[in-house]
Amino acid sequence: AQKITQTQPGMFVQEKEAVTLDCTYDTSDPSYGLFWYKQPSSGEMIFLIYQGSYDQQNATEGRYSLNFQKARKSANLVISASQLGDSAMYFCAMRGPLHGSGNTGKLIFGQGTTLQVKP
Amino acid sequence: DAGVTQSPTHLIKTRGQQVTLRCSPKSGHDTVSWYQQALGQGPQFIFQYYEEEERQRGNFPDRFSGHQFPNYSSELNVNALLLGDSALYLCASSLGGGVNQPQHFGDGTRLSIL
Repeated sequence: AQKITQTQPGMFVQEKEAVTLDCTYDTSDPSYGLFWYKQPSSGEMIFLIYQGSYDQQNATEGRYSLNFQKARKSANLVISASQLGDSAMYFCAMRGPLHGSGNTGKLIFGQGTTLQVKP
Repeated sequence: DAGVTQSPTHLIKTRGQQVTLRCSPKSGHDTVSWYQQALGQGPQFIFQYYEEEERQRGNFPDRFSGHQFPNYSSELNVNALLLGDSALYLCASSLGGGVNQPQHFGDGTRLSIL
């Protein structure tokens, strides 16, 4: 069965510094996608970055980058130059292949990491 | 470009009642998934609709049912509400459901059961 583990319930970072949020995953499928979402206190889930299992390079989107280590089954999110507006809950999620394994694309989420940016 | 919209924003019900939540997908998306998020937890997959049919279901009882309309919008129905159904219900839309297609979420409906 697929599983996502986020071991950091809460993190603090000083404004303008970089921070790494950990995510490990477990799957036996060769094809999968890894996603990071941000959820502010207002509740909406905001898509940040995607990494495919066959992608050779780590994904980057502005200040967000994904440190993908396939052999270790980890997909850590790195936020550079933290801003006060980055304070939120961050979720790592996995989606499996559309066919073959019976998974039709549902997302499996970790427990989340609460990030607080200090001024 | 309209994103995913959900209604209502907040809802208060009592035990035993029934509720219907609504979702309009992002323009161009044809697949709608529903998730339940308890306080302090990650979202849990309820079910997914594509071409007006339930394509996959998570570990939720039959009290949870849904529907997708020809315009791709969707409804989530919950019967015989329990206190434990209190949660944020998130709707997400995507195109086709491929592995590399991100799901885009609405703002959610906060359901409180008294």
